[in-house]
This record gives sequence, C-alpha cells and structure tokens, in this order.
Amino acid sequence: DSGVTQTPKHLITATGQRVTLRCSPRSGDLSVYWYQQSLDQGLQFLIQYYNGEERAKGNILERFSAQQFPDLHSELNLSSLELGDSALYFCASSARGVNIQYFGAGTRLSVL
Amino acid sequence: TQLLEQSPQFLSIQEGENLTVYCNSSSVFSSLQWYRQEPGEGPVLLVTVVTGGEVKKLKRLTFQFGDARKDSSLHITAAQPGDTGLYLCETSGSRLTFGEGTQLTVNP
Repeated sequence: DSGVTQTPKHLITATGQRVTLRCSPRSGDLSVYWYQQSLDQGLQFLIQYYNGEERAKGNILERFSAQQFPDLHSELNLSSLELGDSALYFCASSARGVNIQYFGAGTRLSVL
Repeated sequence: TQLLEQSPQFLSIQEGENLTVYCNSSSVFSSLQWYRQEPGEGPVLLVTVVTGGEVKKLKRLTFQFGDARKDSSLHITAAQPGDTGLYLCETSGSRLTFGEGTQLTVNP
C-alpha cells in the first residue's frame, strides 16, 4: 500500500460528459502529480501541484483541469469527454525536496 | 525537449535467464529513477541513481548509471515469473519525464 488513495477505481461514462477524479496523497506529502496512461502512449505527465499551487504542467488538454485543496487532496476534472480519453489516470505524491513518487492504484476511465 | 528512450520495448524470456534493459537520453540527468508497474497497479519505485558510474543492487536486480549521467541500465539475474511487469525509468530534470517502458514477461 503506497498510502496514496484514488477514487473511484473504475468510471464508465459517455462522450461529452464531465467527470472528477479524486486523489488523497500520503500523509505529509505536499506534492501531487497526475498522469494519464493509455495503451499506446505510456505514462504521460499531466500536471503537478505543490501545497495548493500549480508547480509544473505537462501534456494536459485544455478540457482537463486540476486543483489541490487546503487539506492537500487533489481533483482532476475531465470535461467534454472523447473516446480517446479512455485511459488509466494515476495520481502520485512526494515529499518536499524528494524525487521519489508514490503512486495510487489509478482510476480506469472508459468513455463509451 | 528531454526524452527518455527505453529498450527493448518488449521482452519475453524463460525463468532463470538473465536480461538487461536500457534507458537512454541525450540530456544529462541530476538523478534517475526506475519503477516497476504490475497489471492493475500503479508504478512502484525500485531505485534512485544520482552519481555518474553508480551501481546499486537490489537482490537480483543491478542498476547502473552511466558515467556521463545520460543513460542507465537494469540487469536482472536469474529472472523469475514474479519479475514480470512494466519497467519504467523517470527523471525529474528540467521536465518530469517517464520513458515508454520495457514490458517484461518471464515464463515459468
């Protein structure tokens, strides 16, 4: 158990819809990272938050947004969903000044 | 653009064989991490290498960081079915980047 909790584990929705994925980091970790993993594209970094502020941005679409709340949990919002958004979405957390990331078990999103 | 290239992309071997997978880039890294991901799970950190030429051992796994800190290798001795998984390298240099991974299958 990494200590990182992601909910829900599975999500099935339709094109055009909006979903919210939730992540609770390890106790004490200030950084939260979001990744997308699809079969043909490997693990793609989306965005990082540190103590509530956006720290780094990767290949995140404009239809996607994220935030980190004062209690350090984070949410990834995906809107106007397309078939190609079907993927595993992972959250990871790390402690300040440490490159080690601890990953959650992921949310499997299926857009039908 | 910082890019990590991993090879081979797929590797299927028999139990007991040795293997090496590689992670290469044209950029210099301050550190490099190796992760293993099993089906249905998130990646789990195996090791961090920091110093050029550094060698780290984790039971049957040996990790090496190139002298110029541009490449790394992972060698597994006497592979077992439990070693099956996706091996990913990652660096947090100028841009957080994961390689595409090596999918290893060890057949009993």
